[in-house]
Amino acid sequence: SAVISQKPSRDICQRGTSLTIQCQVDSQVTMMFWYRQQPGQSLTLIATANQGSEATYESGFVIDKFPISRPNLTFSTLTVSNMSPEDSSIYLCSVETFYEQYFGPGTRLTVT
Amino acid sequence: DAKTTQPTSMDCAEGRAANLPCNHSTISGNEYVYWYRQIHSQGPQYIIHGLKNNETNEMASLIITEDRKSSTLILPHATLRDTAVYYCIVRLSNSGYALNFGKGTSLLVTP
Repeated sequence: SAVISQKPSRDICQRGTSLTIQCQVDSQVTMMFWYRQQPGQSLTLIATANQGSEATYESGFVIDKFPISRPNLTFSTLTVSNMSPEDSSIYLCSVETFYEQYFGPGTRLTVT
Repeated sequence: DAKTTQPTSMDCAEGRAANLPCNHSTISGNEYVYWYRQIHSQGPQYIIHGLKNNETNEMASLIITEDRKSSTLILPHATLRDTAVYYCIVRLSNSGYALNFGKGTSLLVTP
């Protein structure tokens, strides 16, 4: 299994600012994913972040808006840039080990 | 990935078996069926997965029809803590790919 922590757990931000979310895993993993869950909705994949390569973004998500870093096998960050109220969501990181994906507790972001 | 169809919501009495159906009629031969659940305000939790054989673990059983076009997740003795949104997901491989979450089934377990 894998234990994942995220920081911050929640934040309230003003529009136009940026927030960096940290994801820490207790073991080394190759594949890490970032998801977004808008209020009352299901999870949507933002990007896949593998250590040593550029993140791969899903349709509708761009690097300028959601830059991702993956400096090592246990850590990643997702930045939500130039925020607007539409970015208010829960952001979750996820890792895969042995055919299972484990999710962090999420970062609840509110943009005012 | 193949599309899945699940009922929007279901109820189950505490202590009874909860049977959650999932339709995946366009599934291809190398796609796996995964089940996850999300308890309110938490990240999703892995439950079980299978290719074509029925599977059982300490949490649940997964029954896949012979033609693989549908499956059922069975929680044998539902408790109040099983109240959650349950997601049936079809994935190309058993590793290396992200999960494509649909809307899921909201299961309410009642006393």
